[in-house]
Amino acid sequence: QKEVEQDPGPLSVPEGAIVSLNCTYSNSAFQYFMWYRQYSRKGPELLMYTYSSGNKEDGRFTAQVDKSSKYISLFIRDSQPSDSATYLCAMISNTGNQFYFGTGTSLTVIP
Amino acid sequence: DGGITQSPKYLFRKEGQNVTLSCEQNLNHDAMYWYRQDPGQGLRLIYYSQIVNDFQKGDIAEGYSVSREKKESFPLTVTSAQKNPTAFYLCATTRGTVYGYTFGSGTRLTVV
Repeated sequence: QKEVEQDPGPLSVPEGAIVSLNCTYSNSAFQYFMWYRQYSRKGPELLMYTYSSGNKEDGRFTAQVDKSSKYISLFIRDSQPSDSATYLCAMISNTGNQFYFGTGTSLTVIP
Repeated sequence: DGGITQSPKYLFRKEGQNVTLSCEQNLNHDAMYWYRQDPGQGLRLIYYSQIVNDFQKGDIAEGYSVSREKKESFPLTVTSAQKNPTAFYLCATTRGTVYGYTFGSGTRLTVV
């Protein structure tokens, strides 16, 4: 079983839609959860960062962590064509040396 | 501007050839990482270094080698022993794992 599972998509939505991206994980020691956005042929950039359970909001983006279910989500409100990218979840434990990444979900927002 | 520079952006390797990918950073971060990204497989860790003159194997180190002689530089050599090297290679640094990674723009390696 992979440490982190993420539906690769592709996901295609109309402009203005609410997008929900999700990851599940198996290691209950994971404490730090991150979402990266990666445009084509570029390196990933950090989008959201959450510690332990709960919600975090930043503009149109909301990250949720449910540790009891080992499930994390990223919501994008009022999606824009510029949000078209691959979204990667990543997580690490308090004592870990490396992040574990999901495979990424490819999102296209259609104008 | 502080950041990570990966070069070259595109690299072509002939069968049996060793090639070296460059990663330079001016963020003053101690830890540096090399990842390989393949479609449908996400990011897989090749090697990482938490301090100068020390590095550790990641999950897929076979066929790769690294050095860390300077804090700013962490080059990756793809040797002829790596049978399927065609991939997108990403270098990353961090000032502490809880802060997440800063990634370079990547090198796309193709075997010809």
